[in-house]
Amino acid sequence: RKEVEQDPGPFNVPEGATVAFNCTYSNSASQSFFWYRQDCRKEPKLLMSVYSSGNEDGRFTAQLNRASQYISLLIRDSKLSDSATYLCVVNPGGGGANSKLTFGKGITLSVRP
Amino acid sequence: DAGVTQSPTHLIKTRGQHVTLRCSPISGHKSVSWYQQVLGQGPQFIFQYYEKEERGRGNFPDRFSARQFPNYSSELNVNALLLGDSALYLCASSLGGGLETEAFFGQGTRLTVV
Repeated sequence: RKEVEQDPGPFNVPEGATVAFNCTYSNSASQSFFWYRQDCRKEPKLLMSVYSSGNEDGRFTAQLNRASQYISLLIRDSKLSDSATYLCVVNPGGGGANSKLTFGKGITLSVRP
Repeated sequence: DAGVTQSPTHLIKTRGQHVTLRCSPISGHKSVSWYQQVLGQGPQFIFQYYEKEERGRGNFPDRFSARQFPNYSSELNVNALLLGDSALYLCASSLGGGLETEAFFGQGTRLTVV
């Protein structure tokens, strides 16, 4: 089983649509969780951290379920500018490497006019 | 403010050669990590350095090595290049203070091995 697994893609949605991405992780001792965004041929950038209590940033809502080892990202009212690859990221922690990020494969979102 | 800078941005090497990639972290950041991203995949962890010491190593062969300098900049070295080493190599810097510390990525070095 892969350490971080994401839904297969790509997603192609019209502007204004709501889209949800799901992700599971295998290491139950994982410490911190993130969603990163990566534009074509660019570096990944932090979109948001994910907490058990859930967190929202404008049109974006992230949720963590530790019992199910499941992470989600919801994007409401999709914009053309949301077109990118979304990477589910887990920091397993431990071993002194506090920045060892484990990335999922990524899912590509295309928002069409 | 300068972000994470990597050099060179693009590189073409021949199988069997050696390559050195360089990274300058954000000013004040003491942790540097290296990742390899092959086409269609997420980045994969190679190394982390914090305060000039190796703090973590991913599942990469000994051909891969790295170091961090007193000014916190870092080099990634790859010996005996293989075609499969062709990838985008990303450097990330962070304050290194905790597990939820945000990692900031450089634009990467795109390495092509022919």
